[in-house]
Amino acid sequence: TQLLEQSPQFLSIQEGENLTVYCNSSSVFSSLQWYRQEPGEGPVLLVTVVTGGEVKKLKRLTFQFGDARKDSSLHITAAQPGDTGLYLCAGQYSGNTPLVFGKGTRLSVIA
Amino acid sequence: DAGVIQSPRHEVTEMGQEVTLRCKPISGHDYLFWYRQTMMRGLELLIYFNNNVPIDDSGMPEDRFSAKMPNASFSTLKIQPSEPRDSAVYFCASSPRRIYGYTFGSGTRLTVV
Repeated sequence: TQLLEQSPQFLSIQEGENLTVYCNSSSVFSSLQWYRQEPGEGPVLLVTVVTGGEVKKLKRLTFQFGDARKDSSLHITAAQPGDTGLYLCAGQYSGNTPLVFGKGTRLSVIA
Repeated sequence: DAGVIQSPRHEVTEMGQEVTLRCKPISGHDYLFWYRQTMMRGLELLIYFNNNVPIDDSGMPEDRFSAKMPNASFSTLKIQPSEPRDSAVYFCASSPRRIYGYTFGSGTRLTVV
């Protein structure tokens, strides 16, 4: 059972386009994180959100945590080839539990 | 800071052989995690340690898998005997506390033929 569903699984866009990827669950999380993974490397943390409705911005990336803390979205403005990678969301049920990861959205930005 | 260091980066072994994967966490990080990544199942938690003590090994698929953390700077994941279905990328990650981002190593790509 996949506790965190990410969509879409694959996304291929042209440089300069905007995009949004989603992370959904039927469970409530105490915190949620987004990671980016490049080929041959481990995931790298982008952001942590902990409050329902929270919005965080990291340059062209905007992260939102759902009001009910069951879902999250990542929006990229004016995508660049350097944004190419596997975007993973990961949730923590409580402070005592380790992260559970979604399968990720594989993004390809074509110049 | 050298980050989380895993070795080897690649391992090809024959079915039935013993495989040992190694991890050096970031100094001062109290939590160490072993994950396995496949296309079909994504990143799955195998086991994690807090202050060198195993806390939850419910993700270890079978008795063929074992993990140890003899001290704060070293952990091993052993598979004996290995099987082709164990082929995956194995990641080690560490964290300074429970509610915090994880720092992952570069992974070990294991192929069992």
